[in-house]
Formats: sequence, C-alpha cells, structure tokens
Amino acid sequence: QVQLVESGGGVVQPGRTLRLSCAASGFTFSSYGMHWVRQAPGKGLEWVALIWYDGGNKDYADSVKGRFTISRDNSKNTLYLQMNSLRAEDTALYYCARSVWPPGHSHGYYESWGQGTLVTVSS
Amino acid sequence: DIQMTQSPSSLSASVGDRVTITCRASQSINIYLNWYQQKPGKAPNVLIYTASSLQSGVPSRFSGSGSGTDFTLTISSLQPEDFATYYCQQSYTSPYTFGQGTKVEI
Repeated sequence: QVQLVESGGGVVQPGRTLRLSCAASGFTFSSYGMHWVRQAPGKGLEWVALIWYDGGNKDYADSVKGRFTISRDNSKNTLYLQMNSLRAEDTALYYCARSVWPPGHSHGYYESWGQGTLVTVSS
Repeated sequence: DIQMTQSPSSLSASVGDRVTITCRASQSINIYLNWYQQKPGKAPNVLIYTASSLQSGVPSRFSGSGSGTDFTLTISSLQPEDFATYYCQQSYTSPYTFGQGTKVEI
C-alpha cells in the first residue's frame, strides 16, 4: 500500500534552515508528481510546493518562493523540502502528498498524504 | 491567485441530516475542484475530485456538483464518523488554493 513518511521537523530559530524528507513506498515514486502542503496550528491547509515526477518542473507558493526548495531523489524514493531563512509564520505541520491525475485530465488531486512533520520556528 | 471561499465556516447538524457545503472560486476553474475531509490529528483524505467524481472507498452518501465558480459538497445522511472539517481545493492553476474549511459539529 502507498506509504508516505515525513521526517526532519523540529524547533528552529528564525533565520535558520531545516530540511524535510518524505520517504515513499508502495508505488512507483518516479511516476508521480509530489507536493508539500502545510497547516499552521489550528488553521487551514496551505499549498507550499510541487515537483513533477522527473523533477523537471517545480513551483512554489509566493510565501516561500526564494526561501524553500523542493527536490526529489527517485533512486531513493524520497522527496525533500529545503527550508532556508525560516520565519515564525512558517510554523506548521508539513505534509507531503502524492498527486494523481484522473484519466483524461491534466489536473490532479491528492490521493495519498503522509502523517506530517511539525516545524516550529521560535527563538 | 484564485481565492476559494467556503460557506458556512461551521455548522451544527445531527445524525441523519442532509448537509450541504458550498465553495466559490474567484474565477472559473472548470471542474477542477476537490473536496477533502480532515479529522482531528489526522491528515486530510480526499472525498471528491474533479467536482463530482467519488474517490474509491468513499461512501456514496458523499456527492459533489458544480462547475465554473460554484460547487457543492453534499452529505445525504450524516453519520457519526462524518463529524470533521471539510476543505475544497482548486487544482486548476498554481497556487493550488484551499478554502478556509467548514467544521461540521454535532
């Protein structure tokens, strides 16, 4: 079965860096686009970034553009999120999610999610 | 950016009630609207994709409709396990924005 396991969260001071990982199993990782979605404590969901199946295209929310970098290693079935210049407003539970395109469509939905990893930015 | 507005933000309902949640996009998103359910302490779970397609394994009491800018999620007969927060999300164009959520309470 599809499994996504995030790791790398923790408490970090403002301005510092953190790298999140998402280990995938149970499916052909290299065939799927992957996304990061975050949720601040008690708040709603916010899309953060996406990467195509082959890493050939990436996109970011304006709130993280220039600070966060999404990447993947298909040989290791792992998705990453490098987070630099962290701010208090980046405090959230970070989920990785697998994007699936329905047949005949070129826009997807999140069929599988990890359990999330918590990032707390605080001095 | 496309803004997604859900209503209501919360609602109180009873087991067996018919519940309808609406989601409005600030511009047309065709049918590229997904609905997720999230229970406390858990990751979201997809219910409906492309506005009206029921995800495999999701009970048939859930249904979705709409196109363009206006969409609805309907629960035909609310069950105890349906008390949760529901989010719409547009997958038409980046950034892939979510609605603010609708909390369904007893």
